This record gives sequence, C-alpha cells and structure tokens, in this order.
Amino acid sequence: KQEVTQIPAALSVPEGENLVLNCSFTDSAIYNLQWFRQDPGKGLTSLLLIQSSQREQTSGRLNASLDKSSGRSTLYIAASQPGDSATYLCAVMGTSYDKVIFGPGTSLSVIP
Amino acid sequence: SAVISQKPSRDICQRGTSLTIQCQVDSQVTMMFWYRQQPGQSLTLIATANQGSEATYESGFVIDKFPISRPNLTFSTLTVSNMSPEDSSIYLCSVVSAEKLFFGSGTQLSVL
Repeated sequence: KQEVTQIPAALSVPEGENLVLNCSFTDSAIYNLQWFRQDPGKGLTSLLLIQSSQREQTSGRLNASLDKSSGRSTLYIAASQPGDSATYLCAVMGTSYDKVIFGPGTSLSVIP
Repeated sequence: SAVISQKPSRDICQRGTSLTIQCQVDSQVTMMFWYRQQPGQSLTLIATANQGSEATYESGFVIDKFPISRPNLTFSTLTVSNMSPEDSSIYLCSVVSAEKLFFGSGTQLSVL
C-alpha cells in the first residue's frame, strides 16, 4: 500500500529565502507525481507534474525533482514571496493508473 | 485539461439523513476519484469509480456508507448515507486528464 509523507509539516520563513519541501513515498512503482498548492478555504491548484521517467520539472520560481528509486521528490521555491503562503501537497499516481494518494501537506508561511 | 462542475457547493444536513453529491465533467474520462478532506487535513481517497463497473473503495470506506454511481464517462455521484457529525468534511471529485489530476470545487458538508 502506497504511503506518502511530507516534511516539514509547517514552515515559516522570511521573504526572499529559497526553500525546499520534501515528499517521500513508500512504493517506487509510480506513474507520476504532482505538486499542488491549496490556499485556506480554497481548492487545489496544480503546480508541477513529473513523470516517472523524468528527473525534474520547472515552472517559474518552482522546481520539482524526482528520485523514484529512493522514493523522494522535492519542491524548490526560489526567492519566496508572501503570496507563496499556502499548503503544498504532493500526490502520487500508481503505475496501474487507478489511484492517486496525497501526502499530508506542508503549511508554508512567508513573512514580509 | 478538464473542467468539473460539482454540486452542491455546500450543505447543512441533519444526523441520519443522506446527501448525494454530483460531478459533471466537460470531457469523457475513464476514471473518477472521490476524496474527503477533513478540517485541517490532507485529502483521503474514498473510492475510484470506473464507468460500467463497481467502484473500488479504500480501506475504511464501505459501499453502504458511500454508494457511488458512474452511469457514463462524464458523470458520477457520491452519496453520504446515514450521516453523523463525523461526516462533516469537504468532499471532492477529481479526474485524470492528460495525465494530470483535476478537481471539482468541492462540497462542504456540515452535519448537525
């Protein structure tokens, strides 16, 4: 059974810092991994999708890497801004394409 | 991409009653997923619904409590049966399109 964890559970940083969010999964037989952000009381916004055959994806100040063999993904946020404050969730899709399991999330607060 | 219309957006229900949540997708999709997000928590997969077959439920969720219908490739319903206050949560449907996961806007359920 796939289990997904995220570290840290919460993070508070001053504006401008570079930061790394971590996601780990127990079953390396994944199809892809997707990072989302969720603002309080809002829905989920997809940030980046990494296929199992890829090592990383970049979008603006965001970079996500994937090491499938070790069961890890990281989300790197460069030059953080107060608008980045949100909960960040990673989600893993299995190779049988039949379910997507979410991690518990990292709550990020960027202080002006 | 996929656009998902989910309703109702919120409801307040009495203990012991049932609520049916509907999801309509703007394109044909093979699988639809139903998630629950309890206050302050991440998303928990309830079940996966394929058109023309019985839904597959995750551990801790049973068909009698959360019956699901999937009559065609663009529509699904989730019923929360015999509700108790512990069922108060946000319920979300989602689909995979172009290998990405997309979400409806969610149904915020409060059970009194």
